[in-house]
Amino acid sequence: QVQLQESGPGLVKPSETLSLSCTVSGGSMSSYYWTWVRQPPGKGLEWIGYIYYDRSTKYNPSLKSRVAISIDTSKNQFSLKVNSVTASDTAVYYCAREIGYDILTGSNYGMDVWGQGTTVTVPS
Amino acid sequence: QSVLTQPPSVSGAPGQRVTISCAGSSSNIGAGYDVLWYQQLPGTAPTLLIYGNNNRPSGVPDRFSGSKSGTSASLAISGLQAEDEAEYYCQSHDSSLSGSHVVFGGGTKLTVL
Repeated sequence: QVQLQESGPGLVKPSETLSLSCTVSGGSMSSYYWTWVRQPPGKGLEWIGYIYYDRSTKYNPSLKSRVAISIDTSKNQFSLKVNSVTASDTAVYYCAREIGYDILTGSNYGMDVWGQGTTVTVPS
Repeated sequence: QSVLTQPPSVSGAPGQRVTISCAGSSSNIGAGYDVLWYQQLPGTAPTLLIYGNNNRPSGVPDRFSGSKSGTSASLAISGLQAEDEAEYYCQSHDSSLSGSHVVFGGGTKLTVL
């Protein structure tokens, strides 16, 4: 079955750029939304954004000015960059596969596969 | 402050039924967007529990059910078991000037007494 694995530095200095990758194994990247979600320590989930396999993107309005998501289907990978990071960007970062709305049923099938998460710390 | 409002915590004894609410507004749940629910066991990634308001992915026990009405939704768990102790998140979409985007509730901690 499809598996996702996040990778990247666990420590990023303030004002620098956070860069993470997510490797997709066991399936195709076509027809899915590839998503990033983060979870600050002791807090809830925050949607960061997604990239569709056709490279179209959508971001959380609160993060849009600092975030970029890209995709490399030849490597079965998609990536996240967050620039000008501060301590508030400290979180567990998850990548996920989102099916989205099905045209026939009209139902949103959601984020059905998640990576295990990777912790990124930005010291204050 | 989350766009979708959930109670911080709920609790119940084994075998009981509990419900977790998810309150939204006319720009998200009330606009017709589906509600989904995720379960996050301690120290693990979230997993999809309910999609399309009231559908369970294969492998999710039928003790879990979802409903939606107006601008709110609920997750019901019947026959509560110790392994249900987890954090639960609702998710939907919210409309803004730049289009719709994914939103999560703040999460509800379920304690099995």
